[in-house]
Amino acid sequence: EAQVTQNPRYLITVTGKKLTVTCSQNMNHEYMSWYRQDPGLGLRQIYYSMNVEVTDKGDVPEGYKVSRKEKRNFPLILESPSPNQTSLYFCASKTPGPNTEAFFGQGTRLTVV
Amino acid sequence: AQKITQTQPGMFVQEKEAVTLDCTYDTSDQSYGLFWYKQPSSGEMIFLIYQGSYDEQNATEGRYSLNFQKARKSANLVISASQLGDSAMYFCAMREGERGKLIFGQGTELSVKP
Repeated sequence: EAQVTQNPRYLITVTGKKLTVTCSQNMNHEYMSWYRQDPGLGLRQIYYSMNVEVTDKGDVPEGYKVSRKEKRNFPLILESPSPNQTSLYFCASKTPGPNTEAFFGQGTRLTVV
Repeated sequence: AQKITQTQPGMFVQEKEAVTLDCTYDTSDQSYGLFWYKQPSSGEMIFLIYQGSYDEQNATEGRYSLNFQKARKSANLVISASQLGDSAMYFCAMREGERGKLIFGQGTELSVKP
């Protein structure tokens, strides 16, 4: 089954404790991205990757890191999480081309206390 | 800068009736794509329908249709014969440039009443 898998689905952590949210897709997509969803703001892009070893900042990259060492994986790293990073996070992947839809993971609900 | 606006934070519709969810966009690009996604209470994002800026016909997918009015820069989603399972948050999104980045609206929460 074609899918984007994120882990964990839910995470509660404390301020300053490094964490990684994993994302893996089995569709051989070149383009992957991370979004955060906050009430009243919709989804905003954090980082994206056009291919292996090619990553770039989205609209809200502060406090986040990513890596793309393999085509299928695109982890999101929070080196020192803060409460304002409490949010619902989505990983997405798509095929090249401007008009193809993005496939989203199930979402990761992160709470930083 | 590109922008998507959904002016209806919440909508109610009676089961079996049709409902229109509004979406307006702002872009200076000639080539762009418009998408609608559904987010049920379980949280996942489900792709519903796509409209390209050069498509002359309005897109349709089952009970979903997109009322695309290019001159007015609107891309409203029409759901016919609403079902209880249509209760969810709906997001309108626009593809920015060739990179594939999606810009999302704030969302509309639809509640279908029996």
